[in-house]
Amino acid sequence: EAGVAQSPRYKIIEKRQSVAFWCNPISGHATLYWYQQILGQGPKLLIQFQNNGVVDDSQLPKDRFSAERLKGVDSTLKIQPAKLEDSAVYLCASTRTRGSVNEQFFGPGTRLTVL
Amino acid sequence: QQQVKQSPQSLIVQKGGIPIINCAYENTAFDYFPWYQQFPGKGPALLIAIRPDVSEKKEGRFTISFNKSAKQFSLHIMDSQPGDSATYFCAASSGNSGYALNFGKGTSLLVTP
Repeated sequence: EAGVAQSPRYKIIEKRQSVAFWCNPISGHATLYWYQQILGQGPKLLIQFQNNGVVDDSQLPKDRFSAERLKGVDSTLKIQPAKLEDSAVYLCASTRTRGSVNEQFFGPGTRLTVL
Repeated sequence: QQQVKQSPQSLIVQKGGIPIINCAYENTAFDYFPWYQQFPGKGPALLIAIRPDVSEKKEGRFTISFNKSAKQFSLHIMDSQPGDSATYFCAASSGNSGYALNFGKGTSLLVTP
């Protein structure tokens, strides 16, 4: 089966500009997550969707970040305006549960550099 | 606030050695403990996972040891190979919160020939 697709792979912007990332999860996966991975750290959850509804966005900086998942499939994550500290890899993951295993499949990520 | 603490930050072992990575957590609501492997430029990939009702799980050369009373778990890699060189993350999650993962900071493993 095809994996989680993300685009673009790399993005360089200046602070105060806006940027958007796109994610296409694995077909049939109802749950989608966006994580932020700062260099040298583990990924941190930003937002979780179940179909097209938000399950958890408690760690999303809502003054500048927004996300949506139209029709319960693709998702976009937007940052407006970007700050220097937003430089990170943004990972999208989707999940299925088989028995006792809840496996999240991650995309390759979008590496954002804010100058 | 780091919900999962991971050590060591980096590890170098010779081929055939057994690297051990340790993690600790505080939230007793966590009920699922996976380990992810990440290569440069790639997203993390699930390696092995355990639930708190068992104390050990083996899959191939990878073993998780779980100590519920101490709220600690560890990954052992048997007969390590240079191809195992990667960053390893432990994580913890709860079904009550949709299994969103709380990751440790990661361990960079280098296996020398």
